Amino acid sequence: SQQGEEDPQALSIQEGENATMNCSYKTSINNLQWYRQNSGRGLVHLILIRSNEREKHSGRLRVTLDTSKKSSSLLITASRAADTASYFCAGGTSYGKLTFGQGTILTVHP
Amino acid sequence: SQTIHQWPATLVQPVGSPLSLECTVEGTSNPNLYWYRQAAGRGLQLLFYSVGIGQISSEVPQNLSASRPQDRQFILSSKKLLLSDSGFYLCALQRDLYEQYFGPGTRLTVT
Repeated sequence: SQQGEEDPQALSIQEGENATMNCSYKTSINNLQWYRQNSGRGLVHLILIRSNEREKHSGRLRVTLDTSKKSSSLLITASRAADTASYFCAGGTSYGKLTFGQGTILTVHP
Repeated sequence: SQTIHQWPATLVQPVGSPLSLECTVEGTSNPNLYWYRQAAGRGLQLLFYSVGIGQISSEVPQNLSASRPQDRQFILSSKKLLLSDSGFYLCALQRDLYEQYFGPGTRLTVT
């Protein structure tokens, strides 16, 4: 079963703008991860935030986690055309299992 | 560094035919391995995971099965394919405690 629900399903922005994607989950998690998938390719891990953390940064990525609302957001600042991809959140358990959301398709126009 | 190989990259099979997809990993020993399926435009669905040789856990009841005959080999099989088995099949290994590293995938079309 799919745990996460991403919002929006699709996002179209201009290069240089910020992109924000949201994710909600239903069950208890140990961590929340974000992955990126270029068309027809495997997934690439972007960032992980643990359940006892509220915010994490990595380069142009900023992730927040609100366990009381069971939601997370991914912010990509100063987007580039190369950021065009599908982005998935995944709730992780303490023993490593992941449950993925449906994803957000991000298109960044040059 | 760890590497995942999946083959074939693409496959077109008729309904009712058997299936065997292979995943092999390098650069690690005794990894937790996962099989996912991704339908077009959808998220990933966990099918099977394995914590060691011969140890398989099934997440979704269906006509697929998995086996792990060697430490670094994970195989997804079916005796008779259905149209609904079409999709993008991804193998992954668990890395760095919680993060998963994905292979390039196999695109299966059942006709």
